[in-house]
Amino acid sequence: DAGVIQSPRHEVTEMGQEVTLRCKPISGHNSLFWYRQTMMRGLELLIYFNNNVPIDDSGMPEDRFSAKMPNASFSTLKIQPSEPRDSAVYFCASSLGPAEGNIQYFGAGTRLSVL
Amino acid sequence: EDKVVQSPLSLVVHEGDTVTLNCSYEVTNFRSLLWYKQEKKAPTFLFMLTSSGIEKKSGRLSSILDKKELSSILNITATQTGDSAIYLCAVDLTNTGNQFYFGTGTSLTVIP
Repeated sequence: DAGVIQSPRHEVTEMGQEVTLRCKPISGHNSLFWYRQTMMRGLELLIYFNNNVPIDDSGMPEDRFSAKMPNASFSTLKIQPSEPRDSAVYFCASSLGPAEGNIQYFGAGTRLSVL
Repeated sequence: EDKVVQSPLSLVVHEGDTVTLNCSYEVTNFRSLLWYKQEKKAPTFLFMLTSSGIEKKSGRLSSILDKKELSSILNITATQTGDSAIYLCAVDLTNTGNQFYFGTGTSLTVIP
């Protein structure tokens, strides 16, 4: 299996622009997670889905952030409009759930820079 | 509020040294504790611990959980430069679906 695939790997954009990050989970996994990592705050959970349904989005910083999972093999995280404080590495992770001890497998991340 | 704390925040050692990294947690509804290694990219899974006192081992790395002390240690013996990374501890709770609480990590640098 190719693992969790994220795109793009790097994104540089200007303040006010819309940014869309993409994630393909491991085939067969039923949970998907979006995290943000910064030096100051470490790894923070933004939202997670179970069977394509958003379960907990309490970590989403504000209304500028939205996430969708239209099917079991694809999810997006959108920031509109983007701000410089959104600059961070965004990770997507997927999990088979209790059948595998809830172990989460991470993608390589998208490094976002908002100028 | 659930909390996961790792120490030290950073560590610099020489090749061949042995290191011990700590993770303590204050959570309700504990299910398991997991260790991840993060080099320049994605965190990769190392160990999952659910029972107190049972050591998990993989090569030069080992880890053990102490539920009485609400903590876990990760040991690395005969360190190599390839062990340089951030080591993350995460706690899985029984009442939050699949949600993990991550510590801020320990940054390990191994000098040749």
